[in-house]
Amino acid sequence: ETGVTQTPRHLVMGMTNKKSLKCEQHLGHNAMYWYKQSAKKPLELMFVYSLEERVENNSVPSRFSPECPNSSHLFLHLHTLQPEDSALYLCASSQEGPDLAGGQFRNIQYFGAGTRLSVL
Amino acid sequence: DAKTTQPNSMESNEEEPVHLPCNHSTISGTDYIHWYRQLPSQGPEYVIHGLTSNVNNRMASLAIAEDRKSSTLILHRATLRDAAVYYCILRDDNAGNMLTFGGGTRLMVKP
Repeated sequence: ETGVTQTPRHLVMGMTNKKSLKCEQHLGHNAMYWYKQSAKKPLELMFVYSLEERVENNSVPSRFSPECPNSSHLFLHLHTLQPEDSALYLCASSQEGPDLAGGQFRNIQYFGAGTRLSVL
Repeated sequence: DAKTTQPNSMESNEEEPVHLPCNHSTISGTDYIHWYRQLPSQGPEYVIHGLTSNVNNRMASLAIAEDRKSSTLILHRATLRDAAVYYCILRDDNAGNMLTFGGGTRLMVKP
């Protein structure tokens, strides 16, 4: 258990569906991330939120829409996806800036187990 | 981010030490060397990081070359649970909070 929880763990959707992936972190961190991991490709950074503001959008198609309502929650809204969007979607969090109490390192990313998405 | 080069795969015997190399010849003075690993069906997890000096923690040791152009992650006694993809990543703490993952090294541990 890393303190970062992703739901659902598995998702199958058609190309016309709308679904959302959820990520919740219980670590008191101030930054959250979405990554995509396709088969036989390195992890690709999609979005970065720092202090609930989106600070990075790595040329991701508009059919992926992130939302960060507070520092503990991050969503990825999906609509009109393509089969090539099938992948493992990973969420991570980190503490950027001043150190946290309790010996946690700053700038270390803690990942969830991911959502395995299949688009039919 | 400066790039790193790692072997695609390595094999080890259980309970023997493993040395995972990483080359980063274009490292800058402010780049930290981070190692993460990804076990099957899980997200990546942090292993260790360092700047210039060798580092030890409960998971592994990190040996950094004097010129910082290469580093080695050392697992002192490999177990079957250490079978994973190991990623060596350079991160400049002054240049934002992103990690750029490469292909990593797939470590296989034989019983």
